[in-house]
Amino acid sequence: AQSVAQPEDQVNVAEGNPLTVKCTYSVSGNPYLFWYVQYPNRGLQFLLKYITGDNLVKGSYGFEAEFNKSQTSFHLKKPSALVSDSALYFCAVRGHYGNNRLAFGKGNQVVVIP
Amino acid sequence: DAGVIQSPRHEVTEMGQEVTLRCKPISGHNSLFWYRQTMMRGLELLIYFNNNVPIDDSGMPEDRFSAKMPNASFSTLKIQPSEPRDSAVYFCASSSSEVITYEQYFGPGTRLTVT
Repeated sequence: AQSVAQPEDQVNVAEGNPLTVKCTYSVSGNPYLFWYVQYPNRGLQFLLKYITGDNLVKGSYGFEAEFNKSQTSFHLKKPSALVSDSALYFCAVRGHYGNNRLAFGKGNQVVVIP
Repeated sequence: DAGVIQSPRHEVTEMGQEVTLRCKPISGHNSLFWYRQTMMRGLELLIYFNNNVPIDDSGMPEDRFSAKMPNASFSTLKIQPSEPRDSAVYFCASSSSEVITYEQYFGPGTRLTVT
């Protein structure tokens, strides 16, 4: 079975500071990994994905994520957080084989403090 | 592309009434997913379809819930009879098998309140 763990319920960061949202995954074989963001009263928006190759993936709005196979992690990062980055962030995974459903984490609330 | 379209955006109904939520996936996408989001349980997958065929409905809470996909551009999620504990935001998402990673694109959701 595939699963994702997002260990922190909420991440607080001062505006302008680096932002990191943690994600670890479990899947049979190689993973496809995703980050989504949900702003208040909106649906989830796709941010970025890891397929293969370069472990550092760049996505929308200045976000990037680093894949670490040995630690089975896919942490989301942004060098300088903005107040507008305050949102709920979801990590998701699926294996290269099997069905096409994604396993989502519980989500992390990010609060960027002005 | 208009993205995934859901209607209505908000629904308020009384306990015992039938509720129908609607979804139009992105044109060309052949997989469709229904999710429910609550504060207590987070994001839950209810059911998904591939090529209009239900593949996994193990997340459907009980027989009061049913979903259909009569064609590639339309799906419904029906709750009959509705109960207050069904209050949640219901999302529809779609994806394409032509994209190897199958990332999903979400609609804006329907906020259901059952009184």
